[in-house]
Amino acid sequence: NAGVTQTPKFRVLKTGQSMTLLCAQDMNHEYMYWYRQDPGMGLRLIHYSVGEGTTAKGEVPDGYNVSRLKKQNFLLGLESAAPSQTSVYFCASTEGQRLYGYTFGSGTRLTVV
Amino acid sequence: AQSVAQPEDQVNVAEGNPLTVKCTYSVSGNPYLFWYVQYPNRGLQFLLKYITGDNLVKGSYGFEAEFNKSQTSFHLKKPSALVSDSALYFCAVSNSGGYNKLIFGAGTRLAVHP
Repeated sequence: NAGVTQTPKFRVLKTGQSMTLLCAQDMNHEYMYWYRQDPGMGLRLIHYSVGEGTTAKGEVPDGYNVSRLKKQNFLLGLESAAPSQTSVYFCASTEGQRLYGYTFGSGTRLTVV
Repeated sequence: AQSVAQPEDQVNVAEGNPLTVKCTYSVSGNPYLFWYVQYPNRGLQFLLKYITGDNLVKGSYGFEAEFNKSQTSFHLKKPSALVSDSALYFCAVSNSGGYNKLIFGAGTRLAVHP
């Protein structure tokens, strides 16, 4: 099925470990986003990309890095995980500037112990 | 700065009754407003949007929303609630210059009781 695929779906990390979350979309969307969801806080934007090879910081970028080497993939990296990064991470994509709604992935539940 | 407020953490309604989930926003320039729904252990699904035009917007699953510029509100409504509408609802806002970046509210949990 067409859409946004996130891997992995679940992960437990120890403090200080690193990992990469992968987001892949097959809709040829230009714009891609990484959000984190925490109880009572809604979704907060971490980083986003408006095209292949571009990335930009969102509202809560500290502790995360991203890359978009291919148009269909948007990677989110945690270099040294901290308990404060325990969250559910969502990737989303949309077409360019025509303000269609986002298509979201099913999320990655990350726990840092 | 852009912001979205959903003043109710939870809304309870009986099946068959009308429902309203409230949203107010603050944005510079023209607002682009969205509603999303999240079912347990799932990603968010797009319900409807207001970009311009008619203040009453119709969306998926029988939901609609009314844009009120003077009250800076975009409340989500449905004439007759279903138990299957029980979920977490998010309001979001963007403006014309923001690369479609959305600012989300904290979410409102809708519980529809039989």
